[in-house]
Amino acid sequence: EDQVTQSPEALRLQEGESSSLNCSYTVSGLRGLFWYRQDPGKGPEFLFTLYSAGEEKEKERLKATLTKKESFLHITAPKPEDSATYLCAVRGEYGNKLVFGAGTILRVKS
Amino acid sequence: ETGVTQTPRHLVMGMTNKKSLKCEQHLGHNAMYWYKQSAKKPLELMFVYSLEERVENNSVPSRFSPECPNSSHLFLHLHTLQPEDSALYLCASSQEVVNEQFFGPGTRLTVL
Repeated sequence: EDQVTQSPEALRLQEGESSSLNCSYTVSGLRGLFWYRQDPGKGPEFLFTLYSAGEEKEKERLKATLTKKESFLHITAPKPEDSATYLCAVRGEYGNKLVFGAGTILRVKS
Repeated sequence: ETGVTQTPRHLVMGMTNKKSLKCEQHLGHNAMYWYKQSAKKPLELMFVYSLEERVENNSVPSRFSPECPNSSHLFLHLHTLQPEDSALYLCASSQEVVNEQFFGPGTRLTVL
């Protein structure tokens, strides 16, 4: 069974304090790892898709990386507007669904 | 309208009521999804439709009944719900089931 574990559950940063969020996964034949951002009371917003180990993608202050067992979302010099819940999901080679982790709640204080 | 829209945004219903949630996607996608999001739990996939055919039914109780009349619209019909069904219900769409999904804002459902 495909599984996703995200850590930490919650993270508090000062503005400008860089850090990383972790997404560990077990999946039979990875067909994609997805990162989303979710603001309170809203639907998840798509950020990145990674397909193979060694792949990296960047968007503004966010950079996602992928190994064979985990993915990291690096946040460089975060701002208060980066505060949100960050969700990770994987798709395996069987089935039509994404399996989501429970998310990391990020709070950035000015 | 752009992206994925959902109505209503908030719904309060009694256990004996019948109501429906509506989702519309304006992205030209051919796959649509219903998810349930409860507090401090991962997103739970409920149903997947590809080219208007249901391709995944994730052991969802029969009090939830999906309908996909065309590739742009998805409904979730609700009847005889339980208080534990209170949650945020999210609709999503994608171009093919293998690609990234785009979510609507959700319907916050409260069952009294």
